[in-house]
Amino acid sequence: DAMVIQNPRYQVTQFGKPVTLSCSQTLNHNVMYWYQQKSSQAPKLLFHYYDKDFNNEADTPDNFQSRRPNTSFCFLDIRSPGLGDAAMYLCATSRDFGIAGQNEQYFGPGTRLTVT
Amino acid sequence: EDKVVQSPLSLVVHEGDTVTLNCSYEVTNFRSLLWYKQEKKAPTFLFMLTSSGIEKKSGRLSSILDKKELSSILNITATQTGDSAIYLCAVSYYGGSQGNLIFGKGTKLSVKP
Repeated sequence: DAMVIQNPRYQVTQFGKPVTLSCSQTLNHNVMYWYQQKSSQAPKLLFHYYDKDFNNEADTPDNFQSRRPNTSFCFLDIRSPGLGDAAMYLCATSRDFGIAGQNEQYFGPGTRLTVT
Repeated sequence: EDKVVQSPLSLVVHEGDTVTLNCSYEVTNFRSLLWYKQEKKAPTFLFMLTSSGIEKKSGRLSSILDKKELSSILNITATQTGDSAIYLCAVSYYGGSQGNLIFGKGTKLSVKP
């Protein structure tokens, strides 16, 4: 089945130690998103790629970076994780923007990041 | 199968009109319902609703959840051309193996001058 895969499902890292979260998709969608979701809060968009075009949200800290080496893969790099970065990180894809019926987002299962 | 259905799929109104967008859901282990606005870029978060019957407002936008009817509405009063966008409804749920948000297909709103 076509889907969105995130690895690992659970990640523990130490304060200040760089960590990379992975997302892959078999849907061949143009858009890939990264969201951060803390407990009992709505998912917060960090950034997205439309194909190779990277778009950072204005309030995303510089500590968060992303790479999309090809259509299928997208990575979230946290350069120096702090305790406040502990959260669920969700990857999503959509076929396009601006076209009703093609904005529908498909989410991966998420990676729960713990910072010790 | 869990699903989120939005209606209408598209809507054309004139500036100053009031619009109501609908979202219904069938989701096991419902947690919350979220509304997003999406223009030609990534979606912007509008509201998160967890309790039935409590209206949330932000300027000309308001939304309310009805857990008995498994639905929510998003109202926009005195519409402006800048309100033209796709409005996405999403439902968050507990557990699940493929993400914890299910999005509807969106309602495309066009506001004419």
